[in-house]
Amino acid sequence: KNQVEQSPQSLIILEGKNCTLQCNYTVSPFSNLRWYKQDTGRGPVSLTIMTFSENTKSNGRYTATLDADTKQSSLHITASQLSDSASYICVVSAPKAAGNKLTFGGGTRVLVKP
Amino acid sequence: ETGVTQTPRHLVMGMTNKKSLKCEQHLGHNAMYWYKQSAKKPLELMFVYNFKEQTENNSVPSRFSPECPNSSHLFLHLHTLQPEDSALYLCASSQANRGTAILNTEAFFGQGTRLTVV
Repeated sequence: KNQVEQSPQSLIILEGKNCTLQCNYTVSPFSNLRWYKQDTGRGPVSLTIMTFSENTKSNGRYTATLDADTKQSSLHITASQLSDSASYICVVSAPKAAGNKLTFGGGTRVLVKP
Repeated sequence: ETGVTQTPRHLVMGMTNKKSLKCEQHLGHNAMYWYKQSAKKPLELMFVYNFKEQTENNSVPSRFSPECPNSSHLFLHLHTLQPEDSALYLCASSQANRGTAILNTEAFFGQGTRLTVV
């Protein structure tokens, strides 16, 4: 069964500090992996999309890494800001030949405190 | 403003009511989606429409009935819902090009409708 596990479930960090969120998946074969940011009460917003051939991608202070061999991804937030408080969701897609299914992680809730 | 607009933002309905959720996208996309997000559970894909045709129905109960009259509008008709159907319902759209698996395309989400069934 395809699964996407995110850790930690939640974390609290001080403004200005860095943090790293983890995403482990069992989806195979694999097409792409995405990280979304979801503010409370709003829809998710895409941060990064990576195919199996990419191992890092940045979007401002957000940097995602991917190790397709170990089926692990991480999202690193640099110099956190109060506006980074949100849930971060990892999503893995299977290719068309494998049914093109999406598997969602449960998310990591990040709270940035001043 | 995300380019995908959902109305209403909040809805409270009884189990015998009939209501509809509306989604409109202003991005020129040709694919639209309904997702359900329950508390403490991952996002669940409900329906996919590609060029107005339903291409995916993830075993969603018939009390949820989608309608896609054109590539810019998507509705979710609700009737005889249960309290466990209370959730955030999210609409999304994407541009599905020929040869690209639709769910591999980047989705743009609306703000969601917070539904409470009493």
